[in-house]
Amino acid sequence: EVQLVESGGGLVQPGGSLRLSCAASGFTFSTFRMTWVRQAPGKGLEWVANIKQDGTEKYYVDSVKGRFTISRDNAKNSLYLQMNSLRAEDTAVYYCAQSNWNYLGGYWGQGTLVTVSS
Amino acid sequence: QSALTQPRSVSGSPGQSVTISCTGTSSDVGGYNYVSWYQQHPGKAPKLMIYDVTKRPSGVPDRFSGSKSGNTASLTISGLQAEDEADYYCCSYAGSSTWVFGGGTKLTVL
Repeated sequence: EVQLVESGGGLVQPGGSLRLSCAASGFTFSTFRMTWVRQAPGKGLEWVANIKQDGTEKYYVDSVKGRFTISRDNAKNSLYLQMNSLRAEDTAVYYCAQSNWNYLGGYWGQGTLVTVSS
Repeated sequence: QSALTQPRSVSGSPGQSVTISCTGTSSDVGGYNYVSWYQQHPGKAPKLMIYDVTKRPSGVPDRFSGSKSGNTASLTISGLQAEDEADYYCCSYAGSSTWVFGGGTKLTVL
């Protein structure tokens, strides 16, 4: 059974940093692209970033470029999202998702809430 | 990277059919056959319902179907059931390894 478990969310002040993690199991992690998607409270889904199987290619939505970094450790079956210079508008539930070349989310985690507020 | 356009809400009675539209541009929906649809119940993670415009993952009922014409993709749910009440999001590849979602549609089963 595919399982994705996010962690690392919490309350952080504007300008602060946070590192999200996603622990994967139940599939061969190193053979799948992985994606972070976020959902602001009461709002829709937004693609944030994705990463190729070997970590050599990474892509970001314009609003997080230069502030967020996606990475992975295939030996640990883990996906990460380093978030710096956080803004109030980054407040959201962050989901990690198993991806393919033709769709973003075959399987999703339960999400972790990030709140940016003073 | 502008969001795709979906109706905010649709509704239907049990047993009826409903269609949710998703309008983009020639740079996303119209340019690629990589449109997917996700179902999200309140407080839950999204679930993949349709990918590659028309394909259903295993386990998704054949009451769910997808199509595309030009810059608009559509999700049709036939034989509506109470458990279909949820939010639905379309998503399209937008080139240069970027993706864009629609704003979401709330489906109410009357």
